[in-house]
Amino acid sequence: AQSVSQHNHHVILSEAASLELGCNYSYGGTVNLFWYVQYPGQHLQLLLKYFSGDPLVKGIKGFEAEFIKSKFSFNLRKPSVQWSDTAEYFCAVSNTGGFKTIFGAGTRLFVKA
Amino acid sequence: GAGVSQSPSNKVTEKGKDVELRCDPISGHTALYWYRQSLGQGLEFLIYFQGNSAPDKSGLPSDRFSAERTGGSVSTLTIQRTQQEDSAVYLCASSRTWTDYNEQFFGPGTRLTVL
Repeated sequence: AQSVSQHNHHVILSEAASLELGCNYSYGGTVNLFWYVQYPGQHLQLLLKYFSGDPLVKGIKGFEAEFIKSKFSFNLRKPSVQWSDTAEYFCAVSNTGGFKTIFGAGTRLFVKA
Repeated sequence: GAGVSQSPSNKVTEKGKDVELRCDPISGHTALYWYRQSLGQGLEFLIYFQGNSAPDKSGLPSDRFSAERTGGSVSTLTIQRTQQEDSAVYLCASSRTWTDYNEQFFGPGTRLTVL
């Protein structure tokens, strides 16, 4: 069955700490991978995406993610978090060229000022 | 309209009643998706529409749930005989075409409460 697993449901960090949010997927075929973010009171929005090529992708606000095919993983990283990164982060996967997208359960990140 | 809009923003209903939730996608977006977001459950895929193709209904949890998309634009998600477990935020998203690698743009959601 298709699934996306996010390892941490809640993460609390202090400002300037490094962040890594885990994401593993189970999905047949070639995949497109996404991280979406939902800031408090705002809509879900795309943070970054991977389709092909360089497995290290960079997104907005200093975030990056690395696709490791052999591990079926797409972990999200940021070297130094800010209070404004407090949000819920969702990993998602779809088949290349497909529409059905499976989301993980989300990770709530709280950054202490 | 710049983004995806949904109405109503909040809906409170009694168990057993039918509800209709509406989604207006971004103009020109051919794909439209419905998700359900329950507390602590992430986003649950319900259904998607792409152009004139038959919708993928594989995520609909029961036959009480149905959706239609008229004229390739506005979509309505209908829940019949609502149950308390249907309480959730229902999110709609749209994307341009499959060649756009399926980046989805989300609406603000409809918060459904079934009493």
